[in-house]
Amino acid sequence: GAVVSQHPSRVICKSGTSVKIECRSLDFQATTMFWYRQFPKQSLMLMATSNEGSKATYEQGVEKDKFLINHASLTLSTLTVTSAHPEDSSFYICSAELAGVNNEQFFGPGTRLTVL
Amino acid sequence: GENVEQHPSTLSVQEGDSAVIKCTYSDSASNYFPWYKQELGKGPQLIIDIRSNVGEKKDQRIAVTLNKTAKHFSLHITETQPEDSAVYFCAASFSSNTGKLIFGQGTTLQVKP
Repeated sequence: GAVVSQHPSRVICKSGTSVKIECRSLDFQATTMFWYRQFPKQSLMLMATSNEGSKATYEQGVEKDKFLINHASLTLSTLTVTSAHPEDSSFYICSAELAGVNNEQFFGPGTRLTVL
Repeated sequence: GENVEQHPSTLSVQEGDSAVIKCTYSDSASNYFPWYKQELGKGPQLIIDIRSNVGEKKDQRIAVTLNKTAKHFSLHITETQPEDSAVYFCAASFSSNTGKLIFGQGTTLQVKP
């Protein structure tokens, strides 16, 4: 149980294009999902908190117009990197909080984004 | 602001030895402390967690201890195996109860056969 999937696992795109990453909780409902970014050999940096049916909450320094988050159902959140640039290349990881169990998060396998 | 410090950054042990990773946190209101194992190119996997109402928790070869007074918690792995080699992250919950976690910097554990 408590499986989170992400799609795609890898994506390579040209500078200026937009990329959408999906995060799904496969066997549980998640009212809250989180999006992280991880650069090589570094820790996870929280980008935003995604709440089902409401606007996402972004961390300081994260541009909400560049990283669009939609959480339309209890099992799906999407992150769209708009007008991607090489500096956006990173490992993007989502997590889903088990509803009713405070703080317990399960992570997806991550998406490797490379912007050329 | 809230912060989690993790030590050591790298740890190398012989197979069969024990490994200990320590974390300290700054927010006294934090009440949930998970540990994650991350293998190369994969997402973090929850291996054990502890809440502030207990001081110790064990799961086979893995144990976590929590000292709320000193605001530190530790991960203990006994009888280490080569497959334990990975990056380990500690985390602590935000006091605002938003579900947010603050992560430590990570420890690269290498278990030598």
